[in-house]
Amino acid sequence: DGGITQSPKYLFRKEGQNVTLSCEQNLNHDAMYWYRQDPGQGLRLIYYSQIVNDFQKGDIAEGYSVSREKKESFPLTVTSAQKNPTAFYLCASSIRDTFSGNTIYFGEGSWLTVV
Amino acid sequence: AQKITQTQPGMFVQEKEAVTLDCTYDTSDPSYGLFWYKQPSSGEMIFLIYQGSYDQQNATEGRYSLNFQKARKSANLVISASQLGDSAMYFCAMREGGNTGFQKLVFGTGTRLLVSP
Repeated sequence: DGGITQSPKYLFRKEGQNVTLSCEQNLNHDAMYWYRQDPGQGLRLIYYSQIVNDFQKGDIAEGYSVSREKKESFPLTVTSAQKNPTAFYLCASSIRDTFSGNTIYFGEGSWLTVV
Repeated sequence: AQKITQTQPGMFVQEKEAVTLDCTYDTSDPSYGLFWYKQPSSGEMIFLIYQGSYDQQNATEGRYSLNFQKARKSANLVISASQLGDSAMYFCAMREGGNTGFQKLVFGTGTRLLVSP
């Protein structure tokens, strides 16, 4: 089945460590996104990529890094510089046809906890 | 400035009744899109309904309808005949800009809906 796969579902990180969250899509979408969600809040955009080998910072990019070497993959690294990384992370992708509303698809998310 | 405002942190409704979840937005862009998503406790974001700023009619998808009042900048979600499975967080989101293929969304803080038997 086509969709977006995020892994791992749950991840624990020690302070000072970098961790990488995986996001893979087989929908042939050009654009991919990473969002962060804190308890009781909406989603905030971390990074986005419209094409391979190109990406831009979103609203809360500090302490995060990404790469887009393949169309299907958009991994997010949470670095030690991110002061409060405990959150729920959602990856998404979209097609270029915007006449239909249902053109952005989300993965099932990854829970990151700093211990 | 807050671009998407959801003023109801929580809503309660009895099964089979209708419920309206409020959403107001702020943009100076004439071309934009408004989305509603449902997020159950498992965390995934489920697309419910979409309204484009130039759409003449209010969007409907099954039991979901969007009450779009452009002059008031509101895009309320109406769920008819609520079901127990509707209990979840609901997010309103907006995409600014024309049909560029790039769907950068701004989200509200959400409304938690609880449907009781």
